[in-house]
Amino acid sequence: GQNIDQPTEMTATEGAIVQINCTYQTSGFNGLFWYQQHAGEAPTFLSYNVLDGLEEKGRFSSFLSRSKGYSYLLLKELQMKDSASYLCAVMDSNYQLIWGAGTKLIIKP
Amino acid sequence: IAGITQAPTSQILAAGRRMTLRCTQDMRHNAMYWYRQDLGLGLRLIHYSNTAGTTGKGEVPDGYSVSRANTDDFPLTLASAVPSQTSVYFCASSDGTSSYNEQFFGPGTRLTVL
Repeated sequence: GQNIDQPTEMTATEGAIVQINCTYQTSGFNGLFWYQQHAGEAPTFLSYNVLDGLEEKGRFSSFLSRSKGYSYLLLKELQMKDSASYLCAVMDSNYQLIWGAGTKLIIKP
Repeated sequence: IAGITQAPTSQILAAGRRMTLRCTQDMRHNAMYWYRQDLGLGLRLIHYSNTAGTTGKGEVPDGYSVSRANTDDFPLTLASAVPSQTSVYFCASSDGTSSYNEQFFGPGTRLTVL
C-alpha cells in the first residue's frame, strides 16, 4: 500500500529552527511536495523536490532522499505566523498526489 | 474571479438529500480535483479530471459523482448524503499532469450531514 508518515504535532519557539520529517512508501515517485495550511484555510504550495538534495527558498528549505524515502522541511527564524499544519505529499506513478495527515506546528513566544 | 472559488462555504444537510458542491477556476487549468479532508487523515482524492470531458475515480469515490462539461467548472454531487460524508471538501486545479504539477486549492466547503 501507499503510506506517508509525518509527526502529528510539533512545538517550537519563535526565532528558532524546526525540522519536520516525512517518510513515504508509494507506488512510483514523481516528486514530493510540501504545503502549508493555516487553520480553516486551504493548503498553499511551499516547495517541490524531485531530485535528491536541498532546495532553499527564503526561510524555508526542503530536502529529499529518494533512496531512503525521506524528506524534511526546515523552517528558520520562526515567526508566529508560521503556526500552521504542514502537509507532505508524494506524486505517484499515476501522477496523483498521496497526502500525509499533516504536522501541526505550534509556535510559542 | 481570481483563482478557484467554491460554493457554498458551508452547508448543513439532512441525510438522504442530494447536494451539489460547485467549483470554478479561471486559470484555464486542464486538471481539476476534489478532495475531502477529515481530522487525523490526509487529503483524500474523491474524483479528478485531467481535461474537459474526462473524469476519473480517486481513492474514495463511492457516493460521489462529478462532471466536467467545460474547462472552468467541476461540480461534485452527493446523490444521497450520509453522515460519513461530513467533511471539509476542497477543489483544486493544476496546469497538467506532468511531474511538476502544483495544485491550487479553493477555500473549501464545510459540509455537515445529519
